Amino acid sequence: AQLLESGGGFVQPGGSLRLSCTGSGFTFSHFWMSWVRQAPGKGLEWVATIRHDESEKYYAESVKGRFAISRDNVQKSVYLQMSSLRAEDTALYYCARGRSCVGRTCYDSPAWLGPWGQGILVTVSS
Amino acid sequence: QSVLTQPPSMSGTPGQRVTISCSGSNSNIGRDSVNWYQQFPGTAPKLLIHTNDQRPSGVPDRFSGSKSGTSASLAISGLRSEDEAHYYCAAWDDSLNGAVIGGGTQLTVL
Repeated sequence: AQLLESGGGFVQPGGSLRLSCTGSGFTFSHFWMSWVRQAPGKGLEWVATIRHDESEKYYAESVKGRFAISRDNVQKSVYLQMSSLRAEDTALYYCARGRSCVGRTCYDSPAWLGPWGQGILVTVSS
Repeated sequence: QSVLTQPPSMSGTPGQRVTISCSGSNSNIGRDSVNWYQQFPGTAPKLLIHTNDQRPSGVPDRFSGSKSGTSASLAISGLRSEDEAHYYCAAWDDSLNGAVIGGGTQLTVL
């Protein structure tokens, strides 16, 4: 299984950016998908998770109302639309595969994260 | 301040056994299983232990996990220089309705 992020870059405060993550080597539609970020020199911070069938989405309080996670199982991709960006959103953003599901039955912890993409840098600065 | 509490740093000498703790609450570790991640500088994290004590294929059996109540631990026996990395614990939090990740522990092999 491999994940490849794209779409990062430099943006001014208040701006928007859309991250993409494409999966390969596994049945994408069977897995929850998540975004996790890491500010420079800091630890990991969970950002958002979307269920395999897009039936529910979960967000960290720090991004709720500003970020939106979505997915396209045909394109085997998950997205993170980021709006009203702030300097504190500057980080390396990782895409991670989540728990596996078959129909309504899911396995493992909802906090399963792995494997991970290589990360994409988002810099918010004026 | 992370919901899951880990010691910021730990150290050990080659061959030693070290244990990294992860303290949570009834809404996260008390309800859900714990996963552990290993991250080397400049690289993406890697799933090291899942479901409290299960090792993915390829992870040496020197690494072991356990959980009791609202706390979990990652033990590394026969410490090696290549184990020097950051280690993170994570679980789902039913109250926050999201994943929570510990602040991370930087392990130094002296």
